[in-house]
Amino acid sequence: EIVLTQSPGTLSLSPGERATLSCRASQRVSSSYLAWYQQKPGQAPRLLIYGASSRATGIPDRFSGSGSGTDFTLTISRLEPEDFAVYYCQQYRSSPFTFGGGTKVEIK
Amino acid sequence: QVQLQESGPGLVKPSQTLSLTCTVSGGSISIGSYYWSWIRQPAGKGLEWIGRIDTSGSTNYNPSLKSRVTISVDTSKNQFSLKLSSVTAADTAVYYCARGLYINYVPYVAPAYWGQGTLVTVSS
Repeated sequence: EIVLTQSPGTLSLSPGERATLSCRASQRVSSSYLAWYQQKPGQAPRLLIYGASSRATGIPDRFSGSGSGTDFTLTISRLEPEDFAVYYCQQYRSSPFTFGGGTKVEIK
Repeated sequence: QVQLQESGPGLVKPSQTLSLTCTVSGGSISIGSYYWSWIRQPAGKGLEWIGRIDTSGSTNYNPSLKSRVTISVDTSKNQFSLKLSSVTAADTAVYYCARGLYINYVPYVAPAYWGQGTLVTVSS
C-alpha cells in the first residue's frame, strides 16, 4: 500500500499570500497518477488537480500542481477567502487508492 | 452534468450490515467505461477509499475492508450499492459515492464527481 504523507498539517496564511502544500509518497506513483482535492466543512471533496498537474474543469488557474515520483506539490498562488479549506492528495495508480491525511489552510 | 445521491439508514446496530445506495442522474450508469467508488470519512478525520466497481461489474476493494465489503451495480435503476457487514463503532462515518475521471476516453478511479455524503452511525 502506498502511504501518502502531507505536510504541513496546518498552514496559517493571509488572503493574497502564496500557499505551498506537500504530498510525499512511500513509493513511486507511476505516471503521475496523483490528484488533489479541496474540502470545505460539511461538503464533499472537490477535485482540483489530476495527473499531478492538470487542472480539473472549472478550477481557477491560481491552483497548480507539480511533482513526480514520490514528491508532489499543490500551490495556490494568491489565496482567496474561499480557498481556506482542507486539501487532500490521492494516488490512483495502485490499489488501494490511498489519500493523504490532509493539510488545513487556515486564515492567519 | 452527472449527479450522485447517497441513500440508506443513518443508524445501524453493531454486528449488522450497513447498506447504502447511490443513485446516479444526468447520465446512464451503463454507458461509458466509468469507475464508481465508495469513500468514507469519520468525523474530523481523513478520507478512506472503500472500493470501486466498473460498468462491467468488476470490483476492487480496499484490503483492510475486503472481507466485509460488497459493491454491486443495478443498471436498470441507475444505481450502485455498498454493503458492509459486521459493523462496529469504527465504521461510523460519512459515506460518499463518486464517479471517476474520464479523460481522453480513458477511465480513472480518481473521483471527479461526488455525492453530498450520508452520515451512518453504528450504535445500539
